Order: sequence, then C-alpha cells, then structure tokens
Amino acid sequence: DTGVSQDPRHKITKRGQNVTFRCDPISEHNRLYWYRQTLGQGPEFLTYFQNEAQLEKSRLLSDRFSAERPKGSFSTLEIQRTEQGDSAMYLCASSTGVSYGYTFGSGTRLTVV
Amino acid sequence: GQNIDQPTEMTATEGAIVQINCTYQTSGFNGLFWYQQHAGEAPTFLSYNVLDGLEEKGRFSSFLSRSKGYSYLLLKELQMKDSASYLCAVSPDKLIFGTGTRLQVFP
Repeated sequence: DTGVSQDPRHKITKRGQNVTFRCDPISEHNRLYWYRQTLGQGPEFLTYFQNEAQLEKSRLLSDRFSAERPKGSFSTLEIQRTEQGDSAMYLCASSTGVSYGYTFGSGTRLTVV
Repeated sequence: GQNIDQPTEMTATEGAIVQINCTYQTSGFNGLFWYQQHAGEAPTFLSYNVLDGLEEKGRFSSFLSRSKGYSYLLLKELQMKDSASYLCAVSPDKLIFGTGTRLQVFP
C-alpha cells in the first residue's frame, strides 16, 4: 500500500450527466475526506467519514452530491446532473485522526462541457 | 466562523530566504499544517505545529503563536523546485485550508 489512490484521474462529461469517482485510502487510515479545488484556490472541504460513518457534510454540498464508504474502506463520490460549475479537481485524503497529517491522493480532474 | 488568510503570491530569488505568513480564526484548534502543492499535483505534507514555537525540518521551518492566531513557514536556501503553492491549514475537526500562497523562485 503506497498511498491514497483515486480513479479516474481525468473525467470529461457533458452537462446533465452523472459521474462517480472512487478513492482508496491508506489501509490503516480510518478517516477519509473529500475536498474540491478550483484554480488558484485552496482545497474546499466537502465531507468526511470515520470508518463507514459520514460524520459531516459541508453546507456547500448540494443535494446533487452524495458520498459513501460502505465498508469503511474505499469511498465513492457521485455528482448527479453535473453543471459547468462542478468543474474542479476532486481530492481525497485519509488520516488516522484529527491531529495527524492527511495524505492526499492525486485527485480526479472533472471537466463539465 | 472560520477564516484563514495568507498572501496570494510571493516571489524570491534562488538561494534566498522567504517567509510565508498565515493568520487564522477558527472555532476549534487541533494544530496547524503547512502543505506544498505543485501545479496539477496533490498537496504534500510539510509541517505540523500544535504548540507555540518553531519546528525545524531541514530547509523548512514553521512557527506558531496560538494566542495571536499566527503562523509562518520559513524556506531557506531557496531552490527552483520550491516554486509551488504553499497551503496553510488549520484542524478543528478537519483541515480547513487557506487559499494558498503561490511562490515563484527566480534564478
């Protein structure tokens, strides 16, 4: 296990389509986080899990976004009815706790056309 | 509320020293992190401060004053490969990031 893996690396989709991204965290990390990053900005928090429990969702996350971590291992982030404003880099990170550094995956770059 | 401020851009010369400041206001605090991010890549961990004072790690040092809500990242002996964005992040119960400081190092 060499780090956090995200798939796909790039996704181009038409407006209105649904997309799903996957994140595989470091195996012993019980916390998993999703962030969104646009050009020139820092990562923006979306949601996080401790094991399989989703503990917090950002108020910025619309109803079109849903995330799951069914067995406390990998996680998926789904965006329904994509909009051009959803175009961004979606980053996944994992950690063993609040006071420990997060390890980020390489991200999924979404382009909505 | 939560607010993290850092300069948008900085420039420096190879071999020089640069200090990137960060001020924060958060409802909880479990530590302050600095990350480096090259264009198109994931953020990578640089440093973590939870107590006041200076943490040194090679060419990079990070300082924290909790009473002032202030931190800085000090980069010494700058190299061209240090050109990147530097992200200040505070952890109440999850990492909250600033907008990042884009550092350009010139020869």
